[in-house]
Amino acid sequence: DQQVKQNSPSLSVQEGRISILNCDYTNSMFDYFLWYKKYPAEGPTFLISISSIKDKNEDGRFTVFLNKSAKHLSLHIVPSQPGDSAVYFCAASAESYGQNFVFGPGTRLSVLP
Amino acid sequence: DSGVTQTPKHLITATGQRVTLRCSPRSGDLSVYWYQQSLDQGLQFLIQYYNGEERAKGNILERFSAQQFPDLHSELNLSSLELGDSALYFCASRGGGGYTFGSGTRLTVV
Repeated sequence: DQQVKQNSPSLSVQEGRISILNCDYTNSMFDYFLWYKKYPAEGPTFLISISSIKDKNEDGRFTVFLNKSAKHLSLHIVPSQPGDSAVYFCAASAESYGQNFVFGPGTRLSVLP
Repeated sequence: DSGVTQTPKHLITATGQRVTLRCSPRSGDLSVYWYQQSLDQGLQFLIQYYNGEERAKGNILERFSAQQFPDLHSELNLSSLELGDSALYFCASRGGGGYTFGSGTRLTVV
């Protein structure tokens, strides 16, 4: 049973527009969430995080929104750039319980020039 | 350079063989995590070590084992390899916040 789901395996967006990547989770104990980006032949790199005490965190072009009641988070990239084309992983953890992160299967984002 | 070093970058071996993957965490990080990424799969947690001791186990097969040495580097040993073990194996260390990943070892079993 997947605790962290990314139901869109792929997403294509025009350069300059907004990219919205979605992530759903099932474990209500999860209280800390991360987004990672991965280019081919490289390891995942940390993008942005959010704690369950917040509903929004922003870092430059990247904003993560958390809806605890819906057990849903999303990553917004505005404006999207061709260099953002990568696989994006959502990860969740029950930090208060000292648990490790569980990763979603990833969404491949393609930003078209 | 993330500060987490993994060697080798690529490994091709035959079924039934044994290989060792190596990871050096970021300076100062005591925890090492091993993840497996198979084709079209997310990152599957295998095992965690903290300061030389096993801390948590995930979906790690009995044919796989790991250890963390006093200098904090870690090795993941994969034995009796099968075709299905072909994957990317990532090591990560953790400071504040999230993980820092190495660039991975691509294992191909033929």
